[in-house]
Amino acid sequence: AQTVTQSQPEMSVQEAETVTLSCTYDTSESNYYLFWYKQPPSRQMILVIRQEAYKQQNATENRFSVNFQKAAKSFSLKISDSQLGDTAMYFCAFMKHATSGTYKYIFGTGTRLKVLA
Amino acid sequence: GAVVSQHPSRVICKSGTSVKIECRSLDFQATTMFWYRQFPKKSLMLMATSNEGSKATYEQGVEKDKFLINHASLTLSTLTVTSAHPEDSSFYICSARDRGSGALNQPQHFGDGTRLSIL
Repeated sequence: AQTVTQSQPEMSVQEAETVTLSCTYDTSESNYYLFWYKQPPSRQMILVIRQEAYKQQNATENRFSVNFQKAAKSFSLKISDSQLGDTAMYFCAFMKHATSGTYKYIFGTGTRLKVLA
Repeated sequence: GAVVSQHPSRVICKSGTSVKIECRSLDFQATTMFWYRQFPKKSLMLMATSNEGSKATYEQGVEKDKFLINHASLTLSTLTVTSAHPEDSSFYICSARDRGSGALNQPQHFGDGTRLSIL
């Protein structure tokens, strides 16, 4: 069974600094998809970035980038120039093909990030 | 962008009451919607996958008679918590995948969630 592990329950970073959130996963599949979602205090889940496992190039979205190490099954998120609005819970998610024919997410336990002024 | 509306955002009711939560895709069609449950400071746990026009697929350990799911149209799925008890109190979140987005592996779009409190 696939599992997703986020080993850092809480982290903090000074405004304008850089922070890296870790995520590891376990799977026997060769093709899959990975995502980082942000859940601010408003509780809405917001897609931050995604990565296809077959792509070697790391995904980037403005201040957000990932370090995808397929062999190590690692998918960390780097936030550059941290802003107060980045304060949120961050979830790493693995998308797998389900027996029902669709794709479903397996979420990690989350990392609570606090950006300090 | 794709918008998913979830209603109500908060509900408080007495034990034994049945509660219905709606999940609507506002600007796209969704053949598949997902229902999650989230405990305080915990991750999202998938409860069931809702398929338009067919029965929902429930995850192991989720009582299908307790959590009734109906997906009667391409834009609406409902979750009914039947005879709710205090242990059913939680944050429930729905998500939907855009049918027109092509591949089945496209990201899900999430609703704002429903906080259910059973007294």
